[in-house]
Amino acid sequence: AQKVTQAQTEISVVEKEDVTLDCVYETRDTTYYLFWYKQPPSGELVFLIRRNSFDEQNEISGRYSWNFQKSTSSFNFTITASQVVDSAVYFCALSRSNTGKLIFGQGTTLQVKP
Amino acid sequence: NAGVTQTPKFRILKIGQSMTLQCTQDMNHNYMYWYRQDPGMGLKLIYYSVGAGITDKGEVPNGYNVSRSTTEDFPLRLELAAPSQTSVYFCASNLPLGTNEKLFFGSGTQLSVL
Repeated sequence: AQKVTQAQTEISVVEKEDVTLDCVYETRDTTYYLFWYKQPPSGELVFLIRRNSFDEQNEISGRYSWNFQKSTSSFNFTITASQVVDSAVYFCALSRSNTGKLIFGQGTTLQVKP
Repeated sequence: NAGVTQTPKFRILKIGQSMTLQCTQDMNHNYMYWYRQDPGMGLKLIYYSVGAGITDKGEVPNGYNVSRSTTEDFPLRLELAAPSQTSVYFCASNLPLGTNEKLFFGSGTQLSVL
């Protein structure tokens, strides 16, 4: 069975703090895709990153970085120097194929206080 | 370029009523999906389609029907609305996930069944 676990339900930080959102996944497939989406208070889903299972290279995009470790089945997301605009619900998701049939975690609500 | 368009944005139904949620995409994507998001939860796949004339069930299909007569459109039908179907519904589409592809989401339809 496939599963995505985001154990942190809510995180609250003060602006400029660094914050890491955890994501642990379960799958028996050797080829799979991992995603992070942001859902701001307006409700839309904003794509942040997609990672293939055969590419364990970590990625940095501005203040965002992702740490993919197959050995621990984790795909963690770090925001450096958080800002109020980062306040949102963040979802980690897993796809076992090249379709968009995603299995989502329950999401982590991040609140960044000024 | 409109992307994925969902209508309506909001709807209130009475128990037992029927309605169709519309979804259209202008990106010539083969794959289309319907997800639902219950309060405080991640998204769950209702139905998906890999091309015109082909549909299949996702994780939570009960109470819903879909059709895919064209590449662009993927309507979701609720036949006998129940309070358990109160949710936010997202339509999505993509090409097969190659190197650069991602899943595009619509802005969502908030449905309340009272």
